[in-house]
Parts: sequence; structure tokens; C-alpha cells
Amino acid sequence: AQSVTQLDSHVSVSEGTPVLLRCNYSSSYSPSLFWYVQHPNKGLQLLLKYTSAATLVKGINGFEAEFKKSETSFHLTKPSAHMSDAAEYFCVVTSDTGRRALTFGSGTRLQVQP
Amino acid sequence: DAGVTQSPTHLIKTRGQQVTLRCSPKSGHDTVSWYQQALGQGPQFIFQYYEEEERQRGNFPDRFSGHQFPNYSSELNVNALLLGDSALYLCASSEDSPNYNEQFFGPGTRLTVL
Repeated sequence: AQSVTQLDSHVSVSEGTPVLLRCNYSSSYSPSLFWYVQHPNKGLQLLLKYTSAATLVKGINGFEAEFKKSETSFHLTKPSAHMSDAAEYFCVVTSDTGRRALTFGSGTRLQVQP
Repeated sequence: DAGVTQSPTHLIKTRGQQVTLRCSPKSGHDTVSWYQQALGQGPQFIFQYYEEEERQRGNFPDRFSGHQFPNYSSELNVNALLLGDSALYLCASSEDSPNYNEQFFGPGTRLTVL
């Protein structure tokens, strides 16, 4: 069985300040982990993925995440928030390479204040 | 490339009715997965189709069924609709490969059950 816990349902930052969205996972196997973003009225978009290669993963739009097995964490960060980053973010785990079922967290809504 | 397309965009039904949602995968993709996203929650995996057969299924009752056609498009059918079936239904497509392949999501169909 596998699961993810997103530790914050809402995060609010000011434009230009760092972003931290926290995610802990549980998996019986070596997991593959992802972060997806969902803008209003748009489909889910993959930000980045970890599939047992480098533990520090760089994604699109300046986001990155670090896989920490000892802490079972996969937190998402960005050095400087932009207004366009306001959206819902989902941490996702799968025991496969991503070809099968994805297990989503409950989501973190990121607000960016001007 | 049109990406993953879904129809209709919105749908309103009453309890007890049946509904069919449609999905066309991204060009070159042969695998289709369906997810249910209730308001304020993360998507939940319903099932996945590959080679016109259901390959994996999540924890959903038999009222939820699907089909995949030879051109890889797919339908999701829900019988005996309940109020709790109101949600955004997301379709995702991918290539079947032993290496990781991203699941590309469509914009979804919003189903309201009255």
C-alpha cells in the first residue's frame, strides 16, 4: 500500500519570497514520486518526477524537490514565488514507474500575495 | 497535438440516471486512466485501460465501468448515479513502456448529480 500526506492545505507567500510545500509518503516498495500542479479550469500538469535517480530533482518553472528516504519526504521548493504560481499542488506516489495507478495527496493551495 | 481531450465539459444528471463520459488520448498514447476528483480533494484512481481491457482498478463499485476502443479512446460509464458521484472526472493517457512515462491529463468533465 502507498499513500502521501501533504502537511499544509493552504500556503500563502508574498511574491518574490521562497515557496515550501511539504509532502511525506508511505510506500511498501521503492517509490516513484511526482508533483503535479492544477490551475483553475485547466488539466493537471507534471512539475517534476523522482524515479530513483538523483535525489534532488529539478522541474519546470524553477521548482525543485528533494527525495529524503530517511525522512520519507519529498518537499517542493522554489526560491522566488511568482503571481502565476498560485494554484493547487499535488504530491503523488506510485509503486510503479508511473504507468499504473497514481496515488494523490489531498493537495496544497498556494496563494501568492503581491 | 491536441493533447488529451474530454467530453462533455459539464454534465448535470439526476439520481438514478446513467452517464457516459468520453476521452481521447494524446497522439501516440495507448493507455488511458480515469480519476475522480471530489471538491477539495485529490484525484482518486478509478481504473486503467490498455489493449481494450481493464488492467488495474481502484476502490470503486461496479457501477463504474469503462471501455477502450481500437483507436485507444475510452469511455467511463456510471450507472445508478448517487449524489456522491458529483465530481470532476479526469482522464489521463500514457504510453505503455517499461520505463517511466508521464501520464498526461485532460481538463476533465464536471458531473453534477441532483
